[in-house]
Amino acid sequence: DQQVKQNSPSLSVQEGRISILNCDYTNSMFDYFLWYKKYPAEGPTFLISISSIKDKNEDGRFTVFLNKSAKHLSLHIVPSQPGDSAVYFCAAIRSGSARQLTFGSGTQLTVLP
Amino acid sequence: IAGITQAPTSQILAAGRRMTLRCTQDMRHNAMYWYRQDLGLGLRLIHYSNTAGTTGKGEVPDGYSVSRANTDDFPLTLASAVPSQTSVYFCASSVAGGSWNEQFFGPGTRLTVL
Repeated sequence: DQQVKQNSPSLSVQEGRISILNCDYTNSMFDYFLWYKKYPAEGPTFLISISSIKDKNEDGRFTVFLNKSAKHLSLHIVPSQPGDSAVYFCAAIRSGSARQLTFGSGTQLTVLP
Repeated sequence: IAGITQAPTSQILAAGRRMTLRCTQDMRHNAMYWYRQDLGLGLRLIHYSNTAGTTGKGEVPDGYSVSRANTDDFPLTLASAVPSQTSVYFCASSVAGGSWNEQFFGPGTRLTVL
């Protein structure tokens, strides 16, 4: 049973518009959530994180929102750029798990020029 | 500074053969990890090591073994490869300690077991 779920395998957005990537989780013991970005033939790279004690974290064009009651987080990219086209993975860390990451299945974002 | 390197980049392997995937980091990170990425499943942790000399099992450890003789190297061995081990394998490393630390990933090894 996947504890971190990304139900949209793909998303297409026009350049300049907002991209919203969603992630749901089932384990209430997760206390940190992260987004990783992956280009083809490369390893994932860290993008942004949020602690479970916060509901929003912003870094430039990227904002992550956390709704603990709904066990849902989302990544907003504004404005979207063609270079943002990549696979985005949501990941979570459970307290006391030796910092092991549990990943979602990923969402392929395509930003159209 | 190379960060994390993995070798080989890709490999086609006959079932039943032994294979070692190599991973080396030059960031002096204490913790290292091995993941496999499969379509529709994301990345799943195979084994990890919090410091040289120690290792632990992740979510999908069966059929794999690891060793951590020193800080920089963390090889992953498939003793007798099976087709279900066809995947892309990523090695990662991070600073140890604290609530969480960013994991830095290598470029991956694409393994095909026939």
